[in-house]
Amino acid sequence: GQNIDQPTEMTATEGAIVQINCTYQTSGFNGLFWYQQHAGEAPTFLSYNVLDGLEEKGRFSSFLSRSKGYSYLLLKELQMKDSASYLCAVRDSNYQLIWGAGTKLIIKP
Amino acid sequence: ETGVTQTPRHLVMGMTNKKSLKCEQHLGHNAMYWYKQSAKKPLELMFVYSLEERVENNSVPSRFSPECPNSSHLFLHLHTLQPEDSALYLCASSHGQDGYEQYFGPGTRLTVT
Repeated sequence: GQNIDQPTEMTATEGAIVQINCTYQTSGFNGLFWYQQHAGEAPTFLSYNVLDGLEEKGRFSSFLSRSKGYSYLLLKELQMKDSASYLCAVRDSNYQLIWGAGTKLIIKP
Repeated sequence: ETGVTQTPRHLVMGMTNKKSLKCEQHLGHNAMYWYKQSAKKPLELMFVYSLEERVENNSVPSRFSPECPNSSHLFLHLHTLQPEDSALYLCASSHGQDGYEQYFGPGTRLTVT
């Protein structure tokens, strides 16, 4: 079967750095997405990786290793507004999105 | 503002009721999706419409019935639901079925009593 694993919950301190990991086993691979979802709101697109390596976008970076079936989302200079759930999703060989259950990130002052 | 709106935002219904969820996208996309989101579970894809035709139906019970009258509107008709159907129902749209990214609406929080 197809599976996406990510930690259920993480806690970090304002101003610090946090890395949220995602591992996947899917039927084929056509890209990996990260979405942010604040409580009671819509998921919003953060990043997309299809080739190995690091994609940087401001305070957020996303890394992909296709050979290891592994990605991480790196958040720097954490702010209280970064408290949210972070969803990892992989597009398989049929271009279906397979979703992880999300990582709830709690930021403490 | 993501360009995808959903109404109502909250809905409480009994198991014998019939109700409909509405989604509208203002982004010019031609693919629309219904997802179910339950606490601590992955998003479950329910239905996909591309160019107003249903292209995906992931073994969803018949008590959920989608309708896509045009590329901007999507409905989910509900009848004789069960308490386990209580969840957040999210609508999304994208440029094409294999679209680069999906844009989500805020969701309808459904409670079945």
